[in-house]
Amino acid sequence: EPEVTQTPSHQVTQMGQEVILRCVPISNHLYFYWYRQILGQKVEFLVSFYNNEISEKSEIFDDQFSVERPDGSNFTLKIRSTKLEDSAMYFCASSARGTGVVEAFFGQGTRLTVV
Amino acid sequence: AQKITQTQPGMFVQEKEAVTLDCTYDTSDPSYGLFWYKQPSSGEMIFLIYQGSYDQQNATEGRYSLNFQKARKSANLVISASQLGDSAMYFCAMREGRWGSGNTGKLIFGQGTTLQVKP
Repeated sequence: EPEVTQTPSHQVTQMGQEVILRCVPISNHLYFYWYRQILGQKVEFLVSFYNNEISEKSEIFDDQFSVERPDGSNFTLKIRSTKLEDSAMYFCASSARGTGVVEAFFGQGTRLTVV
Repeated sequence: AQKITQTQPGMFVQEKEAVTLDCTYDTSDPSYGLFWYKQPSSGEMIFLIYQGSYDQQNATEGRYSLNFQKARKSANLVISASQLGDSAMYFCAMREGRWGSGNTGKLIFGQGTTLQVKP
């Protein structure tokens, strides 16, 4: 069964450093998303990406964040200068578009710890 | 105002019994979809079941069913014959609007309910 793959599964970084979280969405999907979940809290939408551009972003997704689909298969989230409060689980998701369920398939997540 | 509300932070159920996890939602859009995801302690998000706003019948998927009461704006998840492996966090989520009409398909999540199944 096709799946969304995220790497790394866990990343520890020093405050102020840049991190790149990587995702390989399901190959025939067109819509890509990043969500984050601070430990024990709800899952929050960060950004959606379609047709090689950001289609929507939340207020969390400020200038420190950026996304890219560099080569048609990978989808990355970059945090330019990490803060302690960026520590969270980051989920990548992808969806196909069409009739029917059209659920978002989630990757297994990257746990980011900023120290 | 919260778009998705899950009022039960934690629930216990005896193995083999049924359990209902509550979810209410708030939207003025006539077209929307409601989803339930399971998050075990390992952290991944597993899709369980979907209900579209125009669906006439309640969705069912194996031991999972969705009790959709549109007028009350509720979409409760019913798990029948609970198993120990059902112990996890459960999230209700909503997607508003039709695809393509400026809607990006993002999901709005509730706070989650932790379910523990007792042997």
